[in-house]
Amino acid sequence: ETGVTQTPRHLVMGMTNKKSLKCEQHLGHNAMYWYKQSAKKPLELMFVYNFKEQTENNSVPSRFSPECPNSSHLFLHLHTLQPEDSALYLCASSHEPPGQGAGELFFGEGSRLTVL
Amino acid sequence: QKEVEQNSGPLSVPEGAIASLNCTYSDRGSQSFFWYRQYSGKSPELIMFIYSNGDKEDGRFTAQLNKASQYVSLLIRDSQPSDSATYLCAVRDSNYQLIWGAGTKLIIKP
Repeated sequence: ETGVTQTPRHLVMGMTNKKSLKCEQHLGHNAMYWYKQSAKKPLELMFVYNFKEQTENNSVPSRFSPECPNSSHLFLHLHTLQPEDSALYLCASSHEPPGQGAGELFFGEGSRLTVL
Repeated sequence: QKEVEQNSGPLSVPEGAIASLNCTYSDRGSQSFFWYRQYSGKSPELIMFIYSNGDKEDGRFTAQLNKASQYVSLLIRDSQPSDSATYLCAVRDSNYQLIWGAGTKLIIKP
């Protein structure tokens, strides 16, 4: 296993379902991030964790709930989502703490979410 | 609202020509500038970063920064079909937040 791995790669859920996205990084990094990527829009930062502690929550609706049990794993719990939440959800990690360093983020290949 | 602007494209360039991608940003206090490449269905990957005014070259890629005019560009020389991708510009602003552009889709035609 190398890099940043995300599962599932594709997810279809109804508005009343509860599901979770999982991210695992094998790079020894201490900072992890959740981003939302919608077509023709900039990446939207959702949550940031540094050493398992949440350092940023960019006014994300409570229907998205992050969890970071350790520096290698990050989850995004989803419940009662809306169709406009359909997007690609990208997990990333960095060696440097958030806001510092060369700004190199290592991304997973994303979980494509469709909310019906 | 701090912004990073990119032309969404697609930008079509013949194989072997120079591809020029541009990005403008609103926060004059921005310090660091990054170019990520994202192939279709894949994750973004960092290809260049630049901190100082002027040019920075890495192989076929050159990043150019002009802080006075608040733009950063990426030149790709001898473009190859494998360079076809979406190129994302990211700027670390004066609050150390990473602000992203929406990306420019580049198509290299054989």
